[in-house]
Amino acid sequence: AQRVTQPEKLLSVFKGAPVELKCNYSYSGSPELFWYVQYSRQRLQLLLRHISRESIKGFTADLNKGETSFHLKKPFAQEEDSAMYYCALSSIYGGATNKLIFGTGTLLAVQP
Amino acid sequence: GAGVSQSPRYKVAKRGQDVALRCDPISGHVSLFWYQQALGQGPEFLTYFQNEAQLDKSGLPSDRFFAERPEGSVSTLKIQRTQQEDSAVYLCASSHGQGRNQPQHFGDGTRLSIL
Repeated sequence: AQRVTQPEKLLSVFKGAPVELKCNYSYSGSPELFWYVQYSRQRLQLLLRHISRESIKGFTADLNKGETSFHLKKPFAQEEDSAMYYCALSSIYGGATNKLIFGTGTLLAVQP
Repeated sequence: GAGVSQSPRYKVAKRGQDVALRCDPISGHVSLFWYQQALGQGPEFLTYFQNEAQLDKSGLPSDRFFAERPEGSVSTLKIQRTQQEDSAVYLCASSHGQGRNQPQHFGDGTRLSIL
């Protein structure tokens, strides 16, 4: 079965502390993984994708196929990072589709 | 355009009524997706269009749900004989191509409440 698991509904950290948002996936094939973010009163937007191996707003994510994980990390949290974060898997099963399978999301709250 | 546009932003309907939700994707985007997001959950796939062709409707929860994209641009999601469990945010997304690493661009969504 194809599935994305985000075990934490809420992650609260202090400004300047490191952040790690966990994401595990289940997929029988080569995974394509994304992190999407939704800031307050804004639409869902792409943060980063594993194929780009990029750092956006100080966030990075490394695909670990052995642990089937794609955790999102940032060394020093900022208050403006407070948002809802969704991990997503692109699936080709079920048709000629690259539909996204989302986790349930983690709300990151960065305290001053 | 400025991005994916959805209308209305909010829709309240009585149980049993039909509703229609509109999505205007980014100009030139071939792929269009509809997702349903229940409270406290991540978005869940409903259906996919490549231009005007509906290639995957495996996520539509019942035959009361119908989607179309007749000219390969604007899409409409229609829900007939609405039920309370249809209450959710309906998200539309578009992408330029069909590749798996193509980012999807989301609209603001339509929040549907069934009374």
